Amino acid sequence: QKEVEQDPGPLSVPEGAIVSLNCTYSNSAFQYFMWYRQYSRKGPELLMYTYSSGNKEDGRFTAQVDKSSKYISLFIRDSQPSDSATYLCATDNQGGKLIFGQGTELSVKP
Amino acid sequence: DTAVSQTPKYLVTQMGNDKSIKCEQNLGHDTMYWYKQDSKKFLKIMFSYNNKELIINETVPNRFSPKSPDKAHLNLHINSLELGDSAVYFCASSQLSGVVAGELFFGEGSRLTVL
Repeated sequence: QKEVEQDPGPLSVPEGAIVSLNCTYSNSAFQYFMWYRQYSRKGPELLMYTYSSGNKEDGRFTAQVDKSSKYISLFIRDSQPSDSATYLCATDNQGGKLIFGQGTELSVKP
Repeated sequence: DTAVSQTPKYLVTQMGNDKSIKCEQNLGHDTMYWYKQDSKKFLKIMFSYNNKELIINETVPNRFSPKSPDKAHLNLHINSLELGDSAVYFCASSQLSGVVAGELFFGEGSRLTVL
């Protein structure tokens, strides 16, 4: 079993839709959770960073962590074509490295 | 001014050859990494260095040899290339140097194709 599991998609939605991206993780000791966005032919860039359980909002993006079920979510409201990218969830194993999910490829159609 | 820069962006080579990828960061970070992203976009750590010292070696074949001449540079040399080495190799850096990695800043990647 991978330490972080993510549905690779692809996921296609119309512009303006609410997008929900999800990951599960296996180790209950994980405390730091991230979402990275990767545009085609580019490196990943940090989108959201959360510690422990709860919600964090930044504009149209909301990151949610449920430690009881080991579930990480990213919600995108009013999705735009510019949101089309691969979204990677990640957790910090607190051993000096990030462990990434496989990434979900999102396409937002105008 | 690019924060983490890698060269070359593309490499196409034959099996059995040796190749190197160079990485430089101008963020003043102490920790640098090599990650490998396969064709399914799965991103996996290979190595990390903190201030020129190897910290993480993630059971990578010893055909892969990283070198950090100073804390702003981390290079990757690959000997005897195999088909399975085809991937995108990302260099990254982070400000933190303890048990928590923190935010990673990635380069644009070096796309290696082994024929």
